[in-house]
Formats: sequence, C-alpha cells, structure tokens
Amino acid sequence: GAVVSQHPSRVICKSGTSVKIECRSLDFQATTMFWYRQFPKKSLMLMATSNEGSKATYEQGVEKDKFLINHASLTLSTLTVTSAHPEDSSFYICSASTVREETQYFGPGTRLLVL
Amino acid sequence: QKEVEQNSGPLSVPEGAIASLNCTYSDRGSQSFFWYRQYSGKSPELIMSIYSNGDKEDGRFTAQLNKASQYVSLLIRDSQPSDSATYLCAVNVLRFNKFYFGSGTKLNVKP
Repeated sequence: GAVVSQHPSRVICKSGTSVKIECRSLDFQATTMFWYRQFPKKSLMLMATSNEGSKATYEQGVEKDKFLINHASLTLSTLTVTSAHPEDSSFYICSASTVREETQYFGPGTRLLVL
Repeated sequence: QKEVEQNSGPLSVPEGAIASLNCTYSDRGSQSFFWYRQYSGKSPELIMSIYSNGDKEDGRFTAQLNKASQYVSLLIRDSQPSDSATYLCAVNVLRFNKFYFGSGTKLNVKP
C-alpha cells in the first residue's frame, strides 16, 4: 500500500516552454500533497503544500506564478513549471499523506532538464 | 538554527557492523519523527516512523526517540553494502502541516 506515482519520470524541454508533472496516489486518498525539488547532492527543498480543493501554500522564495500547483482530486496533484529556464532543471519529487496517517509517501521523482 | 540537524558524513562502517545515525531537532512541538533512505538518483523511501519516547524495532532497524533531549536516532544492525545510501531524518510539526528534513547522512557500508 501507499504507492505514489509520478509522470513523466524524465523530461527534456526547450527554454520558454511549460512542463506539467503529475503526481498520483494509487491506493489511498491523499488529503495533502507536497512538492519538493532537489539539486545534486543537496537535501530536499519543500516548494509547496497543497490540500485537495484549495490553493497551494508556497514556501518563501518559491514563485507561485512560475510553479503552478493544482490539487483537483484526492488522488491527483499537478505541478506546472511555466516558461522553464535552464536554472529550473532539477529533480522534482512529490509526496502524499492522509489525515489519518501523518507519514509522507514519496513518488519516484521527475528529472527535468531545460535546454 | 536549522530545524533538523544531521551530520552529513560520510559515515563508513564495515559490513556486519552496527551503523548509528543521529538527528537533533529544535522545535519542542514536534510530534512525529521519520527516517527515510535515499539512494543516489532516487526519491526517498520510508524506513521507520516513531511517535513516542523509547525504542522501536523493525527487522535490522531500530529507531530511538528522546523528546527531552530533542534527539532521534536510527541504528542499523548487521549493516549490508546495500544499506549504503543517504539517510534523511524528518520531523513533523503539526501546527505547520509540513515536514522538516535534515540534510541527510551519507552511509557507506564497506564489504
């Protein structure tokens, strides 16, 4: 149980384009989903927290107009990187948790490369 | 001051030995504690959670929590080369509805 998927696992795009990453909880309903990014050999950096049906809460320094988060259902959250630039290249990881269980379960991550 | 502190390592232990990973946290309102393992290039996977003072054992892993000292640790018995990874300590502060992660301790288990 507690499986989280992400799609795509890897994406290469041109500078200026937008990229959408999907995060799904496959066998449970996720009341809260989190989005992280991680640079090589660095720790996880929380970008935002999203609760189903409400606006995401962004961490300080994260541009909400650039990183659009939608949590439309209890099993799906999406992160859209708008007008991507090379500095947005990173490993993006989502996680999901439930009200009943505080544990966060992580998706496999999406590696984004912006050329 | 960081919310969660970990020694970055690397911590090197021989195969079969006990690996001891430590973590301290600053917020006394922290209520739940987690250890994740992250292999290079992969996302974190949950090893253990612990919520109350004392020890919690699961196979070769034992988590220890001391809320008075604001300290949580992970012991890995009979360490295997496959245990070589970065271990992340995470603390959940409910009033903020988010985890605080340490920067991770890199463990190397030498055959």
